[in-house]
Amino acid sequence: GDSVTQMEGPVTLSEEAFLTINCTYTATGYPSLFWYVQYPGEGLQLLLKATKADDKGSNKGFEATYRKETTSFHLEKGSVQVSDSAVYFCALSPRGNNNDMRFGAGTRLTVKP
Amino acid sequence: GAVVSQHPSRVICKSGTSVKIECRSLDFQATTMFWYRQFPKKSLMLMATSNEGSKATYEQGVEKDKFLINHASLTLSTLTVTSAHPEDSSFYICSARTGFTEAFFGQGTRLTVV
Repeated sequence: GDSVTQMEGPVTLSEEAFLTINCTYTATGYPSLFWYVQYPGEGLQLLLKATKADDKGSNKGFEATYRKETTSFHLEKGSVQVSDSAVYFCALSPRGNNNDMRFGAGTRLTVKP
Repeated sequence: GAVVSQHPSRVICKSGTSVKIECRSLDFQATTMFWYRQFPKKSLMLMATSNEGSKATYEQGVEKDKFLINHASLTLSTLTVTSAHPEDSSFYICSARTGFTEAFFGQGTRLTVV
Protein backbone atom coordinates (compact mmCIF):
# COMPACT_ATOMS: atom_id res chain seq x y z
CA GLY A 1 0.00 0.00 0.00
CA ASP A 2 0.87 3.65 -0.11
CA SER A 3 3.50 4.64 2.42
CA VAL A 4 5.98 7.29 3.41
CA THR A 5 9.55 6.78 4.60
CA GLN A 6 11.10 9.61 6.49
CA MET A 7 14.58 10.32 7.70
CA GLU A 8 15.04 9.21 11.27
CA GLY A 9 15.92 11.72 13.88
CA PRO A 10 16.59 13.31 16.10
CA VAL A 11 18.27 16.12 14.24
CA THR A 12 20.15 18.78 16.18
CA LEU A 13 21.34 21.93 14.44
CA SER A 14 22.75 25.26 15.41
CA GLU A 15 20.78 28.38 14.66
CA GLU A 16 21.13 29.56 11.05
CA ALA A 17 22.24 26.12 9.85
CA PHE A 18 20.80 24.53 6.72
CA LEU A 19 18.12 21.91 7.20
CA THR A 20 17.21 18.92 5.07
CA ILE A 21 14.79 16.24 6.17
CA ASN A 22 14.46 13.45 3.62
CA CYS A 23 11.14 11.94 2.68
CA THR A 24 10.38 9.34 0.03
CA TYR A 25 7.06 7.80 -0.81
CA THR A 26 5.50 4.76 -2.39
CA ALA A 27 2.15 5.18 -4.09
CA THR A 28 0.20 3.47 -6.81
CA GLY A 29 -1.49 6.63 -8.06
CA TYR A 30 -0.72 10.33 -7.95
CA PRO A 31 -0.79 11.37 -4.33
CA SER A 32 -0.71 14.80 -2.81
CA LEU A 33 2.25 15.30 -0.51
CA PHE A 34 2.42 17.23 2.73
CA TRP A 35 4.70 18.30 5.51
CA TYR A 36 3.15 18.78 8.92
CA VAL A 37 4.79 20.28 11.98
CA GLN A 38 4.01 19.47 15.58
CA TYR A 39 5.25 21.89 18.19
CA PRO A 40 5.62 20.63 21.77
CA GLY A 41 2.26 19.92 23.36
CA GLU A 42 0.29 20.82 20.26
CA GLY A 43 -1.48 19.07 17.42
CA LEU A 44 -0.32 18.89 13.85
CA GLN A 45 -0.23 21.96 11.67
CA LEU A 46 0.07 21.88 7.93
CA LEU A 47 3.39 23.41 6.94
CA LEU A 48 3.27 23.03 3.18
CA LYS A 49 1.93 20.83 0.45
CA ALA A 50 2.25 19.91 -3.21
CA THR A 51 -0.42 18.29 -5.30
CA LYS A 52 1.40 17.28 -8.48
CA ALA A 53 4.83 16.50 -9.84
CA ASP A 54 7.32 19.38 -9.89
CA ASP A 55 5.16 21.51 -7.62
CA LYS A 56 7.07 23.30 -4.90
CA GLY A 57 5.40 23.91 -1.58
CA SER A 58 6.74 26.69 0.59
CA ASN A 59 5.92 28.36 3.88
CA LYS A 60 7.82 30.14 6.66
CA GLY A 61 11.10 29.69 4.81
CA PHE A 62 10.58 25.94 4.37
CA GLU A 63 10.41 24.40 0.91
CA ALA A 64 9.79 20.98 -0.57
CA THR A 65 9.55 19.92 -4.21
CA TYR A 66 7.41 17.03 -5.42
CA ARG A 67 9.85 14.84 -7.39
CA LYS A 68 8.07 12.07 -9.17
CA GLU A 69 11.24 10.64 -10.74
CA THR A 70 12.81 10.07 -7.35
CA THR A 71 9.51 9.70 -5.45
CA SER A 72 10.74 12.25 -2.96
CA PHE A 73 9.51 15.32 -1.12
CA HIS A 74 12.48 16.48 0.95
CA LEU A 75 11.98 19.38 3.34
CA GLU A 76 14.57 22.17 3.32
CA LYS A 77 15.19 25.44 5.05
CA GLY A 78 18.17 27.64 4.46
CA SER A 79 18.54 29.06 7.96
CA VAL A 80 16.79 27.47 10.90
CA GLN A 81 15.75 29.26 14.06
CA VAL A 82 15.30 28.05 17.63
CA SER A 83 11.56 28.44 17.11
CA ASP A 84 11.68 25.78 14.38
CA SER A 85 12.32 23.13 17.00
CA ALA A 86 9.49 20.65 16.55
CA VAL A 87 8.62 17.29 15.08
CA TYR A 88 8.13 17.23 11.33
CA PHE A 89 5.95 14.67 9.58
CA CYS A 90 5.91 13.87 5.91
CA ALA A 91 2.57 12.58 4.66
CA LEU A 92 0.70 11.62 1.55
CA SER A 93 -2.93 11.56 0.61
CA PRO A 94 -3.95 9.18 -2.15
CA ARG A 95 -5.86 10.77 -4.98
CA GLY A 96 -9.22 9.71 -6.15
CA ASN A 97 -10.43 8.05 -3.02
CA ASN A 98 -11.50 8.93 0.43
CA ASN A 99 -8.74 7.24 2.32
CA ASP A 100 -6.83 8.78 5.12
CA MET A 101 -3.39 10.26 5.04
CA ARG A 102 -0.31 8.12 5.51
CA PHE A 103 2.35 9.57 7.73
CA GLY A 104 6.05 9.06 8.10
CA ALA A 105 7.45 8.34 11.53
CA GLY A 106 8.32 11.97 12.18
CA THR A 107 11.67 13.69 12.61
CA ARG A 108 12.40 15.61 15.76
CA LEU A 109 14.37 18.77 15.11
CA THR A 110 16.14 20.66 17.86
CA VAL A 111 17.75 23.98 17.03
CA LYS A 112 20.26 25.31 19.53
CA PRO A 113 21.14 29.00 19.92
CA GLY B 1 -7.79 27.71 6.74
CA ALA B 2 -10.39 25.33 8.07
CA VAL B 3 -10.54 24.87 11.82
CA VAL B 4 -10.97 21.62 13.69
CA SER B 5 -11.52 21.88 17.40
CA GLN B 6 -10.84 18.97 19.70
CA HIS B 7 -12.01 18.84 23.30
CA PRO B 8 -10.78 18.33 25.91
CA SER B 9 -7.10 19.01 25.38
CA ARG B 10 -6.16 17.09 28.49
CA VAL B 11 -8.06 14.60 30.57
CA ILE B 12 -7.17 12.40 33.50
CA CYS B 13 -9.48 9.56 34.36
CA LYS B 14 -9.53 6.63 36.72
CA SER B 15 -8.94 3.14 35.47
CA GLY B 16 -12.21 1.45 34.52
CA THR B 17 -14.07 4.62 33.64
CA SER B 18 -14.97 5.90 30.18
CA VAL B 19 -13.94 9.15 28.61
CA LYS B 20 -15.34 10.95 25.59
CA ILE B 21 -13.32 13.10 23.22
CA GLU B 22 -15.04 15.46 20.81
CA CYS B 23 -13.86 16.59 17.41
CA ARG B 24 -15.67 19.44 15.70
CA SER B 25 -15.20 21.06 12.33
CA LEU B 26 -15.99 24.70 13.01
CA ASP B 27 -16.29 26.22 9.57
CA PHE B 28 -16.82 23.37 7.16
CA GLN B 29 -18.78 20.17 6.85
CA ALA B 30 -16.62 17.15 7.44
CA THR B 31 -17.81 14.20 5.42
CA THR B 32 -15.01 12.11 6.85
CA MET B 33 -13.22 12.23 10.15
CA PHE B 34 -10.20 10.26 11.22
CA TRP B 35 -8.99 9.29 14.65
CA TYR B 36 -5.31 8.76 15.33
CA ARG B 37 -3.32 7.68 18.29
CA GLN B 38 0.20 8.84 18.86
CA PHE B 39 2.57 6.98 21.14
CA PRO B 40 5.54 8.82 22.63
CA LYS B 41 8.16 9.57 20.00
CA LYS B 42 6.17 7.67 17.40
CA SER B 43 4.13 8.67 14.41
CA LEU B 44 0.41 8.84 14.21
CA MET B 45 -1.34 5.54 13.91
CA LEU B 46 -4.72 5.59 12.29
CA MET B 47 -7.34 4.03 14.51
CA ALA B 48 -10.50 4.47 12.50
CA THR B 49 -12.21 6.35 9.72
CA SER B 50 -15.74 7.59 10.14
CA ASN B 51 -18.14 8.89 7.55
CA GLU B 52 -21.10 10.91 8.63
CA GLY B 53 -24.14 8.78 9.27
CA SER B 54 -22.44 5.42 8.92
CA LYS B 55 -20.43 3.07 11.08
CA ALA B 56 -16.75 3.71 11.54
CA THR B 57 -14.16 1.59 9.79
CA TYR B 58 -11.53 0.42 12.23
CA GLU B 59 -7.94 -0.40 11.42
CA GLN B 60 -6.67 -3.86 12.11
CA GLY B 61 -5.87 -4.40 15.75
CA VAL B 62 -8.09 -1.60 17.05
CA GLU B 63 -10.87 -2.82 19.32
CA LYS B 64 -14.09 -1.28 18.13
CA ASP B 65 -15.90 -2.11 21.36
CA LYS B 66 -13.26 -0.29 23.34
CA PHE B 67 -12.91 2.75 21.11
CA LEU B 68 -16.43 3.79 20.22
CA ILE B 69 -16.70 6.29 17.42
CA ASN B 70 -19.80 8.23 16.57
CA HIS B 71 -20.09 10.62 13.64
CA ALA B 72 -23.65 11.78 14.04
CA SER B 73 -23.40 15.03 12.13
CA LEU B 74 -21.26 16.69 9.50
CA THR B 75 -19.50 18.76 12.14
CA LEU B 76 -19.05 16.41 15.08
CA SER B 77 -17.37 13.09 15.73
CA THR B 78 -16.76 11.59 19.14
CA LEU B 79 -14.33 8.96 20.37
CA THR B 80 -15.23 7.22 23.59
CA VAL B 81 -12.57 5.18 25.32
CA THR B 82 -14.52 2.66 27.35
CA SER B 83 -13.24 1.00 30.50
CA ALA B 84 -9.98 2.85 30.17
CA HIS B 85 -6.76 1.35 31.44
CA PRO B 86 -3.32 2.86 31.92
CA GLU B 87 -2.14 1.39 28.62
CA ASP B 88 -4.77 3.53 26.88
CA SER B 89 -2.91 6.63 28.00
CA SER B 90 -1.85 8.36 24.85
CA PHE B 91 -2.23 11.42 22.65
CA TYR B 92 -5.35 11.14 20.50
CA ILE B 93 -5.76 13.36 17.46
CA CYS B 94 -8.64 13.75 15.09
CA SER B 95 -8.67 15.12 11.59
CA ALA B 96 -11.49 16.09 9.30
CA ARG B 97 -11.87 16.50 5.59
CA THR B 98 -14.57 17.19 3.09
CA GLY B 99 -14.53 15.26 -0.13
CA PHE B 100 -11.02 14.73 -1.43
CA THR B 101 -9.45 17.80 0.10
CA GLU B 102 -6.63 17.75 2.59
CA ALA B 103 -7.39 16.87 6.17
CA PHE B 104 -7.28 19.42 8.98
CA PHE B 105 -6.20 18.35 12.43
CA GLY B 106 -7.46 19.05 15.88
CA GLN B 107 -5.14 20.09 18.65
CA GLY B 108 -5.08 16.63 20.15
CA THR B 109 -6.17 15.23 23.50
CA ARG B 110 -3.72 13.89 26.02
CA LEU B 111 -5.40 11.12 27.94
CA THR B 112 -3.89 9.88 31.17
CA VAL B 113 -5.47 6.91 32.88
CA VAL B 114 -4.49 6.48 36.51
